[in-house]
Amino acid sequence: SYVLTQPPSVSVAPGKTARITCGGNNIGGKSVHWYQQRPGQAPVLVIYYDTDRPSGLPERFSGSNSGNAATLTITRVEAGDEADYYCQVWDSSSVIFGGGTKLTVL
Amino acid sequence: EVQLVQSGAEVKKPGESLKISCKGSGYNFPKSWIGWVRQMPGKGLEWMGIIYPGDSDTRYSPSFEGQVIMSADKSITTAYLQWSSLKASDTAMYYCARLDYYGSGSYHYWGQGTLVTVSS
Repeated sequence: SYVLTQPPSVSVAPGKTARITCGGNNIGGKSVHWYQQRPGQAPVLVIYYDTDRPSGLPERFSGSNSGNAATLTITRVEAGDEADYYCQVWDSSSVIFGGGTKLTVL
Repeated sequence: EVQLVQSGAEVKKPGESLKISCKGSGYNFPKSWIGWVRQMPGKGLEWMGIIYPGDSDTRYSPSFEGQVIMSADKSITTAYLQWSSLKASDTAMYYCARLDYYGSGSYHYWGQGTLVTVSS
């Protein structure tokens, strides 16, 4: 079965850029979606179809996808960005989630 | 405004049955797939499956096939997730979410979650 690999944790100082990767075999050939989940809250979609942002989401969030890795990039990181982030794809008519990455703002 | 409102937290004993709900509003409920996602305590998101309320077409994750039943009543725009015999390992938060496109899409809208606790 298809596996998505995310680093368990990423740490970044406020104002800096965070990059969260999502690795998978030829993931560049799939559409990748990203979710943010703050503690005690439901997930929120932050990037869909590799690069699209839902309306109202800050432009600080962006996505890319090529080869064997997709990346969620958050520029000018703020304390409020501290959360778990999950990537998601479809494979063989099933939804696959990555294991999640905890973003810590130092 | 699209909303998914889930039923409240449940505390059950092992072996008991349970049915939780997810009521959709603000969109054409019969024509959008609804998915269910499990999150065990301190763990990540796990996809359980999806249902198309228009005709109740249901697709289960292999990990959950035979363990739960998904259903929907389009007349009251509500989807359901049920267990016939709960286990302690079913203790988790369960989310419903609306899929934008089957086969490649994402979940733009999520319910608030239903916490299920199974304990003797």
